[in-house]
Amino acid sequence: EDQVTQSPEALRLQEGESSSLNCSYTVSGLRGLFWYRQDPGKGPEFLFTLYSAGEEKEKERLKATLTKKESFLHITAPKPEDSATYLCAGTGQNFVFGPGTRLSVLP
Amino acid sequence: EAGVAQSPRYKIIEKRQSVAFWCNPISGHATLYWYQQILGQGPKLLIQFQNNGVVDDSQLPKDRFSAERLKGVDSTLKIQPAKLEDSAVYLCASVNTQYFGPGTRLTVL
Repeated sequence: EDQVTQSPEALRLQEGESSSLNCSYTVSGLRGLFWYRQDPGKGPEFLFTLYSAGEEKEKERLKATLTKKESFLHITAPKPEDSATYLCAGTGQNFVFGPGTRLSVLP
Repeated sequence: EAGVAQSPRYKIIEKRQSVAFWCNPISGHATLYWYQQILGQGPKLLIQFQNNGVVDDSQLPKDRFSAERLKGVDSTLKIQPAKLEDSAVYLCASVNTQYFGPGTRLTVL
């Protein structure tokens, strides 16, 4: 059965304190690994899709990387407005989401 | 470009009642997904449509949930009868799950 896990469950950072979120997956025939940001009371907002091991994508303070077993979302010098839940999802036969990491960035 | 629209935004019902949610995807987007997101969890796929046809409904509890997509545009998701464990946010998405609507928060009492 396809499975996606994320760690840590929650993370508190000081503004400017860089860190990484982990997404581990066992998805048969992975066709893509997706990252989303979700704010309270809203639907997930698409950030990145990664298709093959070694691929990297960047957007502002975020950089996503992919290996054959996991993906990382690196957050460089975060700001309070980066506070949100970050979800990853693997797609093989269908989309399987992880439970998310709740990120709080304190000023 | 208009986003994915969903209504209602909130719904509170008693258990054993029926409820329906509506989704209008981005114009021209052939693929539409319904997800269930229980508090503190990631979204779980319920059903995927390609135009009018169902691509995957393997995780849809068919004894109480039904969904349709008439004319390959709008879609409705129905629960009949609702159970307490159906309390969740129901999300609609289109285009390879890249665009999500705001969701409908269902509370079953």
